Amino acid sequence: KAGVTQTPRYLIKTRGQQVTLSCSPISGHRSVSWYQQTPGQGLQFLFEYFSETQRNKGNFPGRFSGRQFSNSRSEMNVSTLELGDSALYLCASYAGWGTDTQYFGPGTRLTVL
Amino acid sequence: SQELEQSPQSLIVQEGKNLTINCTSSKTLYGLYWYKQKYGEGLIFLMMLQKGGEEKSHEKITAKLDEKKQQSSLHITASQPSHAGIYLCGADRGGADGLTFGKGTHLIIQP
Repeated sequence: KAGVTQTPRYLIKTRGQQVTLSCSPISGHRSVSWYQQTPGQGLQFLFEYFSETQRNKGNFPGRFSGRQFSNSRSEMNVSTLELGDSALYLCASYAGWGTDTQYFGPGTRLTVL
Repeated sequence: SQELEQSPQSLIVQEGKNLTINCTSSKTLYGLYWYKQKYGEGLIFLMMLQKGGEEKSHEKITAKLDEKKQQSSLHITASQPSHAGIYLCGADRGGADGLTFGKGTHLIIQP
C-alpha cells in the first residue's frame, strides 16, 4: 500500500503571495489532518477533513484554509503569506473514525522570503 | 488545553546503551502515540497505546502507558545509530482538535 504523499516537497515564496499544498492519503483512508511544524511552536493542528467536510479546526487565522475532494485528496491554501508562515507542513491520513492511527506524509517545506 | 511534557529535551547516548524517554500529560489520555522524525522529514509511526497499563514492543523499542493514563515512557534497548532522531509523543483528546504533540526529544547516538 502506498503511503501518504505530499506535493511539492519544497516551496519558496515571497511575502504577500499565496500557496497551495497537496496531500494524497493512503488508499481507503477518508480523513486527512494538516499540521504546521516550526522550531518554536512545535507541531500544531491546523484542520481535519473527513468525507469532504471540515470536521475540526485549530487556532489559526482565516488565511489558512483547506478542502478535501471526493477521492479524499486534500489541499491547503495559505493566502497573503507572512514570514512566520515558514514551516514544515505535514498532513496525516487515517481511516476516519474512532481512535485510529494517523500516518504522516513527508511534509512540504515552505520558506517565505 | 491539554499539554504534553516530554523529557528529556535532548539525549546523547553511547551506542549499545539503553535509554528512556518520558511523556507526561496534565489530563487523562484517550490514546497516546509515539512517532519518530528525522530532521525536516515526516513522522514515522512507532506505536499507539490506549489502555492503562498497556505495553507494546517493536524490535528494540518498548512503550508503556501507566495505569492512570497520564504518563507514557519509551524505552530503547541496546541503542543503535539508526535510533537517532526526534521522538514525539502525541495525545488524542477524544476527537477534538487533532493530536496534541510534545516538543520532542532529540536523541543522538554516539558510536
